[in-house]
Amino acid sequence: GAVVSQHPSWVICKSGTSVKIECRSLDFQATTMFWYRQFPKQSLMLMATSNEGSKATYEQGVEKDKFLINHASLTLSTLTVTSAHPEDSSFYICSAGRRNYNEQFFGPGTRLTVL
Amino acid sequence: GENVEQHPSTLSVQEGDSAVIKCTYSDSASNYFPWYKQELGKGPQLIIDIRSNVGEKKDQRIAVTLNKTAKHFSLHITETQPEDSAVYFCAASIRDDKIIFGKGTRLHILP
Repeated sequence: GAVVSQHPSWVICKSGTSVKIECRSLDFQATTMFWYRQFPKQSLMLMATSNEGSKATYEQGVEKDKFLINHASLTLSTLTVTSAHPEDSSFYICSAGRRNYNEQFFGPGTRLTVL
Repeated sequence: GENVEQHPSTLSVQEGDSAVIKCTYSDSASNYFPWYKQELGKGPQLIIDIRSNVGEKKDQRIAVTLNKTAKHFSLHITETQPEDSAVYFCAASIRDDKIIFGKGTRLHILP
């Protein structure tokens, strides 16, 4: 399958700071990227869907001003957690897909801990 | 919208035995059904998938069956090994749409 990377793999930050997470598709052009968060022992919760060159579509209950998503190219999407608080601590996972194809390829995830 | 139910939430099987995980979906328009394996601290890894025009698919020790009429699909792992211990997620989607995940099954392979 295709390879998707995330950076950083883990990050610890102070409350009130902003954190940027990068998601890259390394060997294919991803027309669509998805961002998920996962709490311990729970399933993946879709936060937003981003199509290259257009604004992200956020799921109900996800604050778009707090979780800024940029999908500027076919190989890179970024998620910025603004003014992070301890309750934002979670495992953030991105996936990449192509238009007209069902498959999504997942990144390894980023563990965010907000102190 | 689509809803995916997954059972059981936890499954323990003796090494060498088979494991079966079952899922149901609600939207008859769903046409793609992937299964993911997630190990601790890692992202989900696609292990097998099936499309709505196929009833069964097999890849070595892993097989998936799909019953479109009943809207359920199952994952079968035969000759289980210790490295099969992980959390398994079923999912369903319509082409180009988001993937809806089940709640996951924690599989323990007992020595």
